[in-house]
Amino acid sequence: GAVVSQHPSWVICKSGTSVKIECRSLDFQATTMFWYRQFPKQSLMLMATSNEGSKATYEQGVEKDKFLINHASLTLSTLTVTSAHPEDSSFYICSARDREQYFGPGTRLTVT
Amino acid sequence: AQTVTQSQPEMSVQEAETVTLSCTYDTSESDYYLFWYKQPPSRQMILVIRQEAYKQQNATENRFSVNFQKAAKSFSLKISDSQLGDAAMYFCAYKKYGNKLVFGAGTILRVKS
Repeated sequence: GAVVSQHPSWVICKSGTSVKIECRSLDFQATTMFWYRQFPKQSLMLMATSNEGSKATYEQGVEKDKFLINHASLTLSTLTVTSAHPEDSSFYICSARDREQYFGPGTRLTVT
Repeated sequence: AQTVTQSQPEMSVQEAETVTLSCTYDTSESDYYLFWYKQPPSRQMILVIRQEAYKQQNATENRFSVNFQKAAKSFSLKISDSQLGDAAMYFCAYKKYGNKLVFGAGTILRVKS
């Protein structure tokens, strides 16, 4: 089956710094990638949808200047959390779609 | 806007028994997909089963089957012969063709040995 990887799996950063999370589709080309945020025991909340080579479409309430998404190629999308604060601590999941949608293993972000 | 409702925050089942997780959804579309995803403690989302709305036959994957009632907008998941490895959070999801997934709030399933 199709595989989506995320790196890093866990990152700790200091408040005020930026952190980048990578999402790769390993064995297929993803025309569309999605970024989700998930709090413990809650559902996935879609943050943004990105198509290769174009600007991401953010969901209502998501700060596009804080959560920068780049989808530079058909196999790579990145999420950069800028000027991170403790309230940004969460689990971030990416997903890539060709004909089906596949999920990465997630990245736990802890901001101290 | 489409919504997906899972009314059972938590469910428990004895090992080897059968459990049914409920899901209802709201849509005005006639063509769409429905999914059940499993999220174990590792938090990796795993597709359990999918159903295309135009298909009347209920989807089945080994011990997992669905009861799809299109008119009632209901899409329940039945897990037969429950195993300890089935313990996870289960999400029901809806997707219109080409659009994004809409998830329900999830149901935590506990399996007792």
